[in-house]
Amino acid sequence: AQTVTQSQPEMSVQEAETVTLSCTYDTSESDYYLFWYKQPPSRQMILVIRQEAYKQQNATENRFSVNFQKAAKSFSLKISDSQLGDAAMYFCAYRSWVDDMRFGAGTRLTVKP
Amino acid sequence: DAGVIQSPRHEVTEMGQEVTLRCKPISGHNSLFWYRQTMMRGLELLIYFNNNVPIDDSGMPEDRFSAKMPNASFSTLKIQPSEPRDSAVYFCASSRSGQADYEQYFGPGTRLTVT
Repeated sequence: AQTVTQSQPEMSVQEAETVTLSCTYDTSESDYYLFWYKQPPSRQMILVIRQEAYKQQNATENRFSVNFQKAAKSFSLKISDSQLGDAAMYFCAYRSWVDDMRFGAGTRLTVKP
Repeated sequence: DAGVIQSPRHEVTEMGQEVTLRCKPISGHNSLFWYRQTMMRGLELLIYFNNNVPIDDSGMPEDRFSAKMPNASFSTLKIQPSEPRDSAVYFCASSRSGQADYEQYFGPGTRLTVT
């Protein structure tokens, strides 16, 4: 069964606008970590942001922020002031102390100039 | 659909031994990727295949690592000889297309410990 689900295979955003990528996950654990990775055409994975489940405050990294809803098991990524360089595949991932990393299938983000 | 299958799930070996990790991609997918995840370096792409042909192996750390894809349903990643710094989780993923912007489906990973 898929632990991590990204329901949006593709998303598009206008440069300078804001876009939100969705991710849901399934777990019975209470302590875990969530991640968003970016994979540009170079194919190397870049960690964008991470969230510890025990923290109520949503993580932020410059233009990237998350909306972590623990009860709903939802972990969306918001990209503000989108730039052309943000165009990439974005993978949501989950890890706990008892589970190795689990990945969603990815969302392809296109940024229109 | 069984998803991407990796074996073994866990491997513990001694330094100097040969290690072979295996991956079965999703049927119908023609691209396969090997990744390594460590605390120090995060998630790295090691190599990927398109239609069984290695396209980019620039991420392979050194000659001790080799990967093969003899057919569309099977790939191996071999480390010979293994070293403690090779300890990591190795993921295999497959995709319908070799294009960079297609969805990838990840396997559960193989946790390798080299003592």
